[in-house]
Amino acid sequence: SSELTQDPAVSVALGQTVRITCQGDSLRSYYASWYQQKPGQAPVLVIYANSDRPSGIPDRFSGSRSGNTASLTITGAQAEDEADYYCHSRDSSADQVVFGGGTKLTVL
Amino acid sequence: QVQLQESGPGLVKPSETLSLSCTVSGGSVITYYWTWIRQPPGKGLEWIGFISYSGGPNYNPSLKSRVTISVDPSKNQFSLNLSSVTAADTAVYYCARQWGGYDNRGGFYYDYMDVWGKGTTVTVSS
Repeated sequence: SSELTQDPAVSVALGQTVRITCQGDSLRSYYASWYQQKPGQAPVLVIYANSDRPSGIPDRFSGSRSGNTASLTITGAQAEDEADYYCHSRDSSADQVVFGGGTKLTVL
Repeated sequence: QVQLQESGPGLVKPSETLSLSCTVSGGSVITYYWTWIRQPPGKGLEWIGFISYSGGPNYNPSLKSRVTISVDPSKNQFSLNLSSVTAADTAVYYCARQWGGYDNRGGFYYDYMDVWGKGTTVTVSS
């Protein structure tokens, strides 16, 4: 299968912890990477190779995986974390890039 | 610091060819993979295809018959051509730098896009 499945929307209270998940068969052999996209802006890489953070990404963002599911966790969510989040991987054949459908995170 | 900038017409007529370029500054197109992604209004990200200087292109099967991606080291650019466009091709088009490999410790492959252009809006309309 070449699909990655995400919940369409998730909400979190300010300062609380939220987990955004991504499911797909390819995640049994490929780490997920995660992107944050705010309205009118290009996506920004926040997690790669499962749990690595690019320079400049706050350490409240973390990644993990189990089986065919990858997770992005925001510990102590801030108002500025409200955005769409996309997971990305390759499909099982490794030829194709696949994105999840995106999760809209609302910080209450 | 590597930066990417998309350029090309913002309006394309139906049945014509959409042509975009992505100029790379602060780095060379000879290394890494270079990818095109689009996002229709109000929708998610859709991968179009990628290319490397040393390898051939890979395309999204759903677009493969209409897409050509090429790389030009002399201009430090890579380009996208999408033929026979329709209104369904209206989107923000992004170029990005892509990299991947194999994590020997975990036994997993990885793949990511770490630098993105700001995106360019292309509308298909007569």
